[in-house]
Amino acid sequence: NAGVMQNPRHLVRRRGQEARLRCSPMKGHSHVYWYRQLPEEGLKFMVYLQKENIIDESGMPKERFSAEFPKEGPSILRIQQVVRGDSAAYFCASSPAAGWVSTYEQYFGPGTRLTVT
Amino acid sequence: KNEVEQSPQNLTAQEGEFITINCSYSVGISALHWLQQHPGGGIVSLFMLSSGKKKHGRLIATINIQEKHSSLHITASHPRDSAVYICAVPQGGSEKLVFGKGTKLTVNP
Repeated sequence: NAGVMQNPRHLVRRRGQEARLRCSPMKGHSHVYWYRQLPEEGLKFMVYLQKENIIDESGMPKERFSAEFPKEGPSILRIQQVVRGDSAAYFCASSPAAGWVSTYEQYFGPGTRLTVT
Repeated sequence: KNEVEQSPQNLTAQEGEFITINCSYSVGISALHWLQQHPGGGIVSLFMLSSGKKKHGRLIATINIQEKHSSLHITASHPRDSAVYICAVPQGGSEKLVFGKGTKLTVNP
């Protein structure tokens, strides 16, 4: 059973370009979470999705960021018109059901390191 | 809003020493998580606990719900334990996690 997959592992974009980060959850997991880790800072929640639904996006910046988790295929975190401040490690995690309040643990992917030049 | 404080921020130990990392939070929770982030950046979930104590190999996690405090212990520490250890708790009954800033552990041979 493969773990959580993220790609690409490293992504370099110039200011103004778009970044697309992909996350394939573990088999059988229907819940996906995205987190951002800025340099020298802790992890911060961004968004929580179930298949075809955004459950909680309270941690997403109001502009340029969007996320989806379609019925088929990976979850996508999209950043439009990237700026240098978007440079960070982006992690996704998955769980078979609601992960934090209930008894299910979350399993993390290896992360995508985004560098904006 | 739940605030999470970890201590110490940095910890250096000699191989074989017993390690304790502490985590305090401000609002009552249903479960607390301990994560390990390797030097390469990958994150592993170590424990999720809501009461008492859990043990995996040389790692032990305890939680005191009344005191809003948890500890992570490593017995017979080894250089491969060198990593950042992060504590996380739910934010106000939601699915959103709030993370501590992490404790950077270095175990020297």
